Amino acid sequence: EVQLVESGGGLVQPGGSLRLSCAASGFTLSSYWMHWARQAPGKGLVWVSHIKGDGTSTGYADSVKGRFTISRDNAKNTVYLQMNSLRAEDTAVYYCARGGVPASLDYWGQGTLVTVSS
Amino acid sequence: QSALTQPPSASGSPGQSVTISCTGTSGDVGGYDYVSWYQQHPGKAPKLMIYEVNKRPSGVPDRFSGSKSGNTASLTVSGLQAEDEADYYCSSYAGSNNFYVFGTGTKVTVL
Repeated sequence: EVQLVESGGGLVQPGGSLRLSCAASGFTLSSYWMHWARQAPGKGLVWVSHIKGDGTSTGYADSVKGRFTISRDNAKNTVYLQMNSLRAEDTAVYYCARGGVPASLDYWGQGTLVTVSS
Repeated sequence: QSALTQPPSASGSPGQSVTISCTGTSGDVGGYDYVSWYQQHPGKAPKLMIYEVNKRPSGVPDRFSGSKSGNTASLTVSGLQAEDEADYYCSSYAGSNNFYVFGTGTKVTVL
């Protein structure tokens, strides 16, 4: 059974940093692109970032480019999202998702809440 | 990259059909056959319902179908059931610079 479990969310002050983790199980992580998406309270989904199975290619939404860094450790079955220079508008539930079919996210974790506030 | 445009709400009675539109541009919906649809119940993670415009993942009922014409994609839910009441989001690949874009979301109510 495919499982994705996010962790690392919490309350952080504006300008601060946070690292999210996504523990994957039930499939071979290295074979899949992995994504992060977010959803601000009461708002819609927004794609954030993705990383190729072997880690050689990454992509970011303009809103986080230069501040967020996606990475992965296939040996630890974990994907990461390092978030720096956090802003109030980064407050959201962050979801980890698998890119199992072309250009789609076929399995999602339950999400971890990040709150940026002083 | 602007979000794809969806109607805020749609509704139908049990057994009826409801269709949700998703309008983008030639740079996303119109340019690629990579439109997906996600269902999200309150407080839950999204679930993939349709990918590549009209393909259903294993386990998704055939009451859910997708289509595309030009810059607009559509999701049709036939034979509405109470459990179909949820938020629905479209998504499209948007090229190697913008990657992916989601729609604004549509709340489907089963009357």
